[in-house]
Amino acid sequence: SQTIHQWPATLVQPVGSPLSLECTVEGTSNPNLYWYRQAAGRGLQLLFYSVGIGQISSEVPQNLSASRPQDRQFILSSKKLLLSDSGFYLCAWIPRLVYGYTFGSGTRLTVV
Amino acid sequence: RKEVEQDPGPFNVPEGATVAFNCTYSNSASQSFFWYRQDCRKEPKLLMSVYSSGNEDGRFTAQLNRASQYISLLIRDSKLSDSATYLCVVNSGGSYIPTFGRGTSLIVHP
Repeated sequence: SQTIHQWPATLVQPVGSPLSLECTVEGTSNPNLYWYRQAAGRGLQLLFYSVGIGQISSEVPQNLSASRPQDRQFILSSKKLLLSDSGFYLCAWIPRLVYGYTFGSGTRLTVV
Repeated sequence: RKEVEQDPGPFNVPEGATVAFNCTYSNSASQSFFWYRQDCRKEPKLLMSVYSSGNEDGRFTAQLNRASQYISLLIRDSKLSDSATYLCVVNSGGSYIPTFGRGTSLIVHP
């Protein structure tokens, strides 16, 4: 079966510290992968998406970056976190044909 | 005009009530439509796809009106457990970036 794993579930980081969130998908190949952020009480904001290994498209310029080192692995990173980076980070995937998203369980990041 | 618009609510209804949400979209080339449910502090989960002919899943009915460019979600016999935020998602053909609405909050009370 196809599953998506995202970790950690919660994270509290000081301002200026680095960040690395990982997302992996199982049971499929060549998925489209996405990183979203949801600020408290707000809608989903698309940060990055990838249609293949090494292919990253950025939707919002900011101090975050993404990488896709393997087909089913998507990583969200930052060299120096800002307070405004706090939020609920969600990884998602859809197969090549456009179906509904499946989301990971999310990482709740608090920058202090 | 926003690409996908939803009334944020909240819709506050008693158990057993019937409630309907609409979601309007601006891109007439949109081809795929979905309703998601998001519980507080949880990830969104696919509730149902929306087909051109309309579709039903138990107490939930989804419909598409291409002429007026909106989709709807009808919930019959509301349960307390239906309390959540309902997100509509619209995707244009060939695009790998579906557009999410901001969501409609539903509160079902005893």
